[in-house]
Amino acid sequence: GQNIDQPTEMTATEGAIVQINCTYQTSGFNGLFWYQQHAGEAPTFLSYNVLDGLEEKGRFSSFLSRSKGYSYLLLKELQMKDSASYLCAVLDSNYQLIWGAGTKLIIKP
Amino acid sequence: DVKVTQSSRYLVKRTGEKVFLECVQDMDHENMFWYRQDPGLGLRLIYFSYDVKMKEKGDIPEGYSVSREKKERFSLILESASTNQTSMYLCASSLSRAGDINEQFFGPGTRLTVL
Repeated sequence: GQNIDQPTEMTATEGAIVQINCTYQTSGFNGLFWYQQHAGEAPTFLSYNVLDGLEEKGRFSSFLSRSKGYSYLLLKELQMKDSASYLCAVLDSNYQLIWGAGTKLIIKP
Repeated sequence: DVKVTQSSRYLVKRTGEKVFLECVQDMDHENMFWYRQDPGLGLRLIYFSYDVKMKEKGDIPEGYSVSREKKERFSLILESASTNQTSMYLCASSLSRAGDINEQFFGPGTRLTVL
């Protein structure tokens, strides 16, 4: 079966760095997405990786290793507004998105 | 900016009622999706459509049907609502099936409660 694993919840301190991991087992791979979802709101796109390596976008970076079936989202200089759920999703061989359950990130002052 | 709108933010219905959830996107996207989101389960795909009048079952289609008569509009129908269909329903759209980044844009969601 297809499976996406990510931690249920993480806590970090304002101003610090946090890494949210995602491991996947899917039938085929056409890219990995990270979305941010604030409570009660719709998910919004953060990043897309299809090749191995690190993609940096401001305070957020996303890393992919296809051979290991592994990705992480790195958030630097954490702000209170970064408190949200972070969803990992993989585009499989049929171009369907397989979603993880999401990681709830709690930022403390 | 891509805009995906859903007909209601909150909806309360009774068991056995027929429920219509409407979704409209304004960016001429080919693909549209209906998900439900429940705590601890992530997003689960109910139905999707890659073209007008075309529909395909997702992972959990039972108890639901869809309609796509126009490219911009994708409707989710609960034929006879049940309490286990109480959930957050999210509509999404994306540009094309393959060859692009396939980023999905989401509507604000409809929180449906079935009593």
